[in-house]
Amino acid sequence: GAGVSQSPSNKVTEKGKDVELRCDPISGHTALYWYRQRLGQGLEFLIYFQGNSAPDKSGLPSDRFSAERTGESVSTLTIQRTQQEDSAVYLCASSIGGNSPLHFGNGTRLTVT
Amino acid sequence: AQSVTQLGSHVSVSEGALVLLRCNYSSSVPPYLFWYVQYPNQGLQLLLKYTSAATLVKGINGFEAEFKKSETSFHLTKPSAHMSDAAEYFCAVSVSGGYNKLIFGAGTRLAVHP
Repeated sequence: GAGVSQSPSNKVTEKGKDVELRCDPISGHTALYWYRQRLGQGLEFLIYFQGNSAPDKSGLPSDRFSAERTGESVSTLTIQRTQQEDSAVYLCASSIGGNSPLHFGNGTRLTVT
Repeated sequence: AQSVTQLGSHVSVSEGALVLLRCNYSSSVPPYLFWYVQYPNQGLQLLLKYTSAATLVKGINGFEAEFKKSETSFHLTKPSAHMSDAAEYFCAVSVSGGYNKLIFGAGTRLAVHP
């Protein structure tokens, strides 16, 4: 079946521009997570959605970062006024909820020039 | 607070040799532990998970990991490496609380040479 889909796969943007990253979770998965992976580092948790509410936003690095989710479907991660340190791979994952394993997408590689 | 330490950012083995990737965790509560693999230009794929049942966990592709509470370790092993095992491997601990917020280690890149 279809896995987690993320778009675009690559995004190059100029410093100061806003970007939107999209995640389509596996159908029926109520839980959705965003992670960031900087070059040579592990994954950093950003935000967790249960349905369309976000009970844990503790990993968002600054108020330039925001995310929303439509029902139990698509999520978008928005970065405003991008900075070079925002360059990373942004990974989305979904699950059926609880402590069930996460299924990851292939990520969006963001480069801020 | 929970944390994960992976010893060795790069490991190189010969084809057919034992693979041992080390992971130590810190957790104030009984942990759920995971190993994920990331092949080049792909997303993370679950290898195996420990959820307080058997301490020796078998995963896909011949990998297994043993939970040792006394050593706070969850090392990943495979008896005989294949060229196709070359990838980056991530150990993660789940923070309890009704959802699967994973704290990842920095990763270990495994190289397999002929």
